[in-house]
Parts: sequence; structure tokens; C-alpha cells
Amino acid sequence: AQSVTQLDSQVPVFEEAPVELRCNYSSSVSVYLFWYVQYPNQGLQLLLKYLSGSTLVKGINGFEAEFNKSQTSFHLRKPSVHISDTAEYFCAVISNNDMRFGAGTRLTVKP
Amino acid sequence: NAGVTQTPKFQVLKTGQSMTLQCAQDMNHEYMSWYRQDPGMGLRLIHYSVGAGITDQGEVPNGYNVSRSTTEDFPLRLLSAAPSQTSVYFCASSRLRDGYTFGSGTRLTVV
Repeated sequence: AQSVTQLDSQVPVFEEAPVELRCNYSSSVSVYLFWYVQYPNQGLQLLLKYLSGSTLVKGINGFEAEFNKSQTSFHLRKPSVHISDTAEYFCAVISNNDMRFGAGTRLTVKP
Repeated sequence: NAGVTQTPKFQVLKTGQSMTLQCAQDMNHEYMSWYRQDPGMGLRLIHYSVGAGITDQGEVPNGYNVSRSTTEDFPLRLLSAAPSQTSVYFCASSRLRDGYTFGSGTRLTVV
């Protein structure tokens, strides 16, 4: 079965600084990769996804992620964060019929 | 377009009670899943379904039952509630593997 590891449980960063949230996965078959964002007391919202094609994927709110098959990674990046980006971010993978999630990374953007 | 609707939003149960969490989607999605979210553990898959009449177990199925008699509905049953089932429960649906749409969650407390 596939698994997902988010390497940082918390990432504090100052406003307008760049950020990278790291995600590694393990699977023996082809995968589909996703990043979700969860704001306090809300459900999950899809940020971006990789299904096939270009390994650099652009999503909403200025986020992008790069699929690296050799390193089995799918790191999320944003060149300049805002206070409103403070949230929990989840990496997820589908390789058969179900989606599995990482434990999450709490991004805190400080003024 | 309502998306994924979960009811109730909040519930308190006594140990040993049973209840059903309701989930309905109006997007004609084949895939539906139930997750529980606990601090520091991300979302863990309880049960999922790839179509009406077909269900399968996820990572943490014990103590929960599901059925999928229609494409729209995917209820989750707690057979005999335990304090360990205190959690936030999310239902999600998807067309093929295109990424899940999540409901707003049910916050369950078992005392």
C-alpha cells in the first residue's frame, strides 16, 4: 500500500518570504498526487494535483508543486506567502482506489 | 450545486450508543470515502466505495460499517461508540481519480 510522509509538522515563516512544504511518498505503482489546504474549522480544499504530463504543477493562491519520480517527492512551494496562507497543508496520494494522506504541515505566517 | 453534504455537524454520544453519520453528494461521483482526522495523524481512511453496491476497508475500519445502496449516499455507522472514536469525520467524493471533494465535517465526541 502507498504511504505519504510530510517531513515537517510545523513551518513558521515571515510574511513575503518563500516557503517549501516537503512531501515524500512510497508506492510500487503509478501515483496521482495532491495537495490540500485546511483552514481552521473547515473542510479540505484542493490546492493542486499531478495526474500526468508536466512535472511542475500550478495551483490556486500562487502555490506550485514539482513531481520528482526519482526522489518520490512532491514538494509544495510559494515564492511569497501572505498572512492568509496560515493553515494546515496535507499531501495525498492515490495509487489504487483510495486516497492516503500525510500527517499534515502547519504553516504559520508571521507579520 | 451542494457538493458533499454531511450531517450532523456536531454530535455527542455516550459510550455504547450507536449512530449513523450521513453523507450525500449530488455530483454523480463514483468514488466516496470516509476519513477521520485526529491531531498529528492527518486523515486516516476508514472505508471507501468505488460505486453503488461496492465497499472496501481502509486503514482504520474497526468499529465502523458502511453501505452504498445508491450513487448519492454513503452513510457511516458506529456500531457501539467508544471514546477512541472521538474525532472529526470527513466524507469525500470523486469522479475517477481526479481529486476528492470534501464535506465540511462532523465533530463527534464520545463520553
